[in-house]
Parts: sequence; C-alpha cells; structure tokens
Amino acid sequence: AQTVTQSQPEMSVQEAETVTLSCTYDTSENNYYLFWYKQPPSRQMILVIRQEAYKQQNATENRFSVNFQKAAKSFSLKISDSQLGDTAMYFCAFMKYSGAGSYQLTFGKGTKLSVIP
Amino acid sequence: NAGVTQTPKFRVLKTGQSMTLLCAQDMNHEYMYWYRQDPGMGLRLIHYSVGEGTTAKGEVPDGYNVSRLKKQNFLLGLESAAPSQTSVYFCASSYSLGTSGVTGELFFGEGSRLTVL
Repeated sequence: AQTVTQSQPEMSVQEAETVTLSCTYDTSENNYYLFWYKQPPSRQMILVIRQEAYKQQNATENRFSVNFQKAAKSFSLKISDSQLGDTAMYFCAFMKYSGAGSYQLTFGKGTKLSVIP
Repeated sequence: NAGVTQTPKFRVLKTGQSMTLLCAQDMNHEYMYWYRQDPGMGLRLIHYSVGEGTTAKGEVPDGYNVSRLKKQNFLLGLESAAPSQTSVYFCASSYSLGTSGVTGELFFGEGSRLTVL
C-alpha cells in the first residue's frame, strides 16, 4: 500500500513571498502520478499541479512548481509570489498508474497554508 | 458547467437512520469515487466504480454501500447511520487512464456535510 506524508500541518507566508510545502511518499511502484490539490474555505478540491513519475523535468504551472526527487520519494510544492487567494488546505496525493488499486488517489493529511497581508 | 454535483449538501441524521447521497457527473467519465474527509485525516476512499454496473471497496468501506446503475450517477448509502460516520463526503470522477490524453486528474464535487447524532 502507498502512503503519503505531509510533515507540516500548518504554515504561513507573507503576501508576495515564496513558500515550500513538503510531501514524501512510500511506494514500490515505478510508474505513478503525483498531484497537489488545493482546498479553499469553499471546500471544493481543485487540482494545482501534477507530475508523472517517468518525467524527470519538474512540472510548473504559473506561480506553482514542484521539486520531484524520485529516488528520495519527495514531491514538494513551491508557491512563488504568494497571494491571499492561495490561503487553503493543500493536499499531496499519489496515484498508481496501473494494476490493482490504480486510478485511486491516496492523500496526505494536508497542510493548512495561510497567506498574511 | 455543472461538472460533479452532489446532493444533498447538508444533512443531519439520528443514529440508526438511513440515507443516500447522490453524485452526478456530466463529463462522461468512466470512473467515480466516494471519499470522506475528517479533520487531520485527509481524504480516505470509501468505494469506487470503474464503470456502469461495477463497484469496488476502497480503504474504509464498512457501513456504506454504493450503486452505479447509470454511468453518470454514483450513489452512496448508509443503511444504519452511526456517529462515527459524521464527516464531509466528496464524490469525484475521472477518465480512464487508458484514454488518450488523460491526465489522471480527479474532478471533485463540493462535498456533503453529514452529521449523525
């Protein structure tokens, strides 16, 4: 079974600054996806960024980027130029690519990020 | 742009009562999921379905039943509600990873808050 660990229950960052959220995972799979989802106070889960394990290049989506270290099983999220709208819970998630249990997301427990004006 | 719609959004039950949560998606997704979210626990998979007429157990299936009679609908039932089932329930859907161009992203509903007294 896969496990996803987010070691920072809460974090805060000043507006316009940069913050990094940590995520580690444990798996014996070689092919998989990793995701960061955002859950604002409105409660709906929104995809922030995704990474395929076979790709060495780190994914980037505007102000959001990841540092994917496959050997270390680490998948951190960097938010640059933080905005008040980034205040939310952030969940790291793992998905097997194939075989039994694939297509299912395994979530970490989340990191609550507060952006301070 | 309905996406994934859950009904009801809020419900209060007494111990032993039964109820059904309805999830509907209009994106023609093959896969559908029910997750529960509890404080400090992230999201945990209850049941999922990889196609019409098929269902499977997730991580925490006890006390719940599901049905997928139509491709667009996924029902979650509680036959005899217990206080331990007080939670926020999320439905999600996705394309099969075998579909060309699919990213593995899950699309979530807005959640249903259930309280069992």
